[in-house]
Amino acid sequence: ILNVEQSPQSLHVQEGDSTNFTCSFPSSNFYALHWYRWETAKSPEALFVMTLNGDEKKKGRISATLNTKEGYSYLYIKGSQPEDSATYLCAFLAQAGTALIFGKGTTLSVSS
Amino acid sequence: KAGVTQTPRYLIKTRGQQVTLSCSPISGHRSVSWYQQTPGQGLQFLFEYFSETQRNKGNFPGRFSGRQFSNSRSEMNVSTLELGDSALYLCASSKGGTATNEKLFFGSGTQLSVL
Repeated sequence: ILNVEQSPQSLHVQEGDSTNFTCSFPSSNFYALHWYRWETAKSPEALFVMTLNGDEKKKGRISATLNTKEGYSYLYIKGSQPEDSATYLCAFLAQAGTALIFGKGTTLSVSS
Repeated sequence: KAGVTQTPRYLIKTRGQQVTLSCSPISGHRSVSWYQQTPGQGLQFLFEYFSETQRNKGNFPGRFSGRQFSNSRSEMNVSTLELGDSALYLCASSKGGTATNEKLFFGSGTQLSVL
């Protein structure tokens, strides 16, 4: 059974703080790594799909990096805003055509 | 462009009953995946359908089943409901599913309560 770990489980920051989360996955087989943002009362929404070792993706104040050799991805949020409050999920795909396995998520709360 | 539609939004059933949930994907999307979300757990993969064929199945008992129709709409059925089946059930669609590197588009989910 593939295990995808996310840390921390939750964190609380002040508006303007920068923060980062970690997603760890098995490094033996790798096809893709997804990041999703899930706001309360909404549907999960895709942030990034990363496929290559060393990939860096950016969307506004949010960016992500990928290290497939050591099995981790970082998600960074620069200058957190209250609207960034959400649960951030990563999902790992070991091989094309197999199941996308999600971590339990990191819940971010940003206070103004 | 309409998003992924799940019906119903809320459902209350009693133990032993069965339930059918529906998911209509984005037009043109042929892959539909189903996930179960319970408190303290991540999204647990149930199954993925692509062009009416089950492509993958998660580690759930046989009481959980699904199907996909020629218009790509998918249904999930749970028979002999148990209290532990109370959860949010999400479906997600994409054009090619996990055979490609596409992102998933999620529906709003069906919140199932088993009493």
